[in-house]
Amino acid sequence: DSGVTQTPKHLITATGQRVTLRCSPRSGDLSVYWYQQSLDQGLQFLIHYYNGEERAKGNILERFSAQQFPDLHSELNLSSLELGDSALYFCASSVEDSGYEQYFGPGTRLTVT
Amino acid sequence: GQQVMQIPQYQHVQEGEDFTTYCNSSTTLSNIQWYKQRPGGHPVFLIQLVKSGEVKKQKRLTFQFGEAKKNSSLHITATQTTDVGTYFCAGIDYGGSQGNLIFGKGTKLSVKP
Repeated sequence: DSGVTQTPKHLITATGQRVTLRCSPRSGDLSVYWYQQSLDQGLQFLIHYYNGEERAKGNILERFSAQQFPDLHSELNLSSLELGDSALYFCASSVEDSGYEQYFGPGTRLTVT
Repeated sequence: GQQVMQIPQYQHVQEGEDFTTYCNSSTTLSNIQWYKQRPGGHPVFLIQLVKSGEVKKQKRLTFQFGEAKKNSSLHITATQTTDVGTYFCAGIDYGGSQGNLIFGKGTKLSVKP
């Protein structure tokens, strides 16, 4: 158990819908990262927050957005969902800003039908 | 943009055989991390290499960082069935990737008992 929690574990929704994925980092960790893992694409970095501020964006679509709240939990919002958005979404946390080892949560499996 | 390539994509070995996965970056890395993801699980941090030419060992696992800091390898001696999983390298280039991890696509290791 990494200490990072993610909810829900599974999500099935229809195209065009909007969903919110939630992540609670390890106690004391200030950084939260979001990744998308598809079958053939490996782990794609989406976005990084540090202590409530956006630090870096990776390959995140405009339909996706995220935020980190004062209690350091984070939410990833996915809207206008398409079939291709079906994937595992991982949240990871680290103690400080970039460059430190990351602890991954169990992931949310999103299926868009 | 910055890319991290990993080979081979798949490796099937007999239990007791050795295994090596290689990681190459298109740019010089600040440091490199290795993660293991068991089937159905989440990535788990193994190690971080920072110095040029660095070699670190963890029991049967040996990690190397190239002299030019553009490549790395993970070698497992005498594989066991517990080594099954996907091994990812992830490079950090503070200049190119804003300090965030760029993951290779991973090497999926299967071990036949």
